[in-house]
Amino acid sequence: AQTVTQSQPEMSVQEAETVTLSCTYDTSESDYYLFWYKQPPSRQMILVIRQEAYKQQNATENRFSVNFQKAAKSFSLKISDSQLGDAAMYFCAYRSARRSGYALNFGKGTSLLVTP
Amino acid sequence: NAGVTQTPKFQVLKTGQSMTLQCAQDMNHNSMYWYRQDPGMGLRLIYYSASEGTTDKGEVPNGYNVSRLNKREFSLRLESAAPSQTSVYFCASSDSFRRSNTEAFFGQGTRLTVV
Repeated sequence: AQTVTQSQPEMSVQEAETVTLSCTYDTSESDYYLFWYKQPPSRQMILVIRQEAYKQQNATENRFSVNFQKAAKSFSLKISDSQLGDAAMYFCAYRSARRSGYALNFGKGTSLLVTP
Repeated sequence: NAGVTQTPKFQVLKTGQSMTLQCAQDMNHNSMYWYRQDPGMGLRLIYYSASEGTTDKGEVPNGYNVSRLNKREFSLRLESAAPSQTSVYFCASSDSFRRSNTEAFFGQGTRLTVV
């Protein structure tokens, strides 16, 4: 099974600053997808950004961008101009493009605190 | 659009009791999943259904059973609840045959406490 590792259980950032959350994964596959999900205190799982492994270009969504390093199996999330509403648990997830069921494998999460 | 709807949102069970968590999606997705979330453990896959009529075990299936009732509905049953099953449960769905929009959509979760 693919393993997803988030090595930072907690991170802190000041409002308006930039923070990077780390994620590494282990796979022997070449075709897969990577995701970052946000879980605020409401418990709802919200997709932040997705990356297809066959695309070399890093995905961006407004203030959120990723640094996808396929050879290094690294997928970090950069949040620019941090806002108080960005405070949440962030999960990195991997999904095979070929295996049956295509279930997401999640890391253990990084809790992001945003200070005024 | 309702998306993925889970019921109930909260539940307290006594050890040994049984219950079924219900999940329905209205996005015509072929694949559905049940996860549990425990502090410091992320989301772990319990069971999944790649398509209507099929179900398979995930990472932590012991103590659970599932039923894919039709394309829309996927239920999770605890036959004899144990305190170790105290957790937050999420149902999710995805359209796993498409190359685009490949993410999973989640329900709001069920907080289950077994005493």
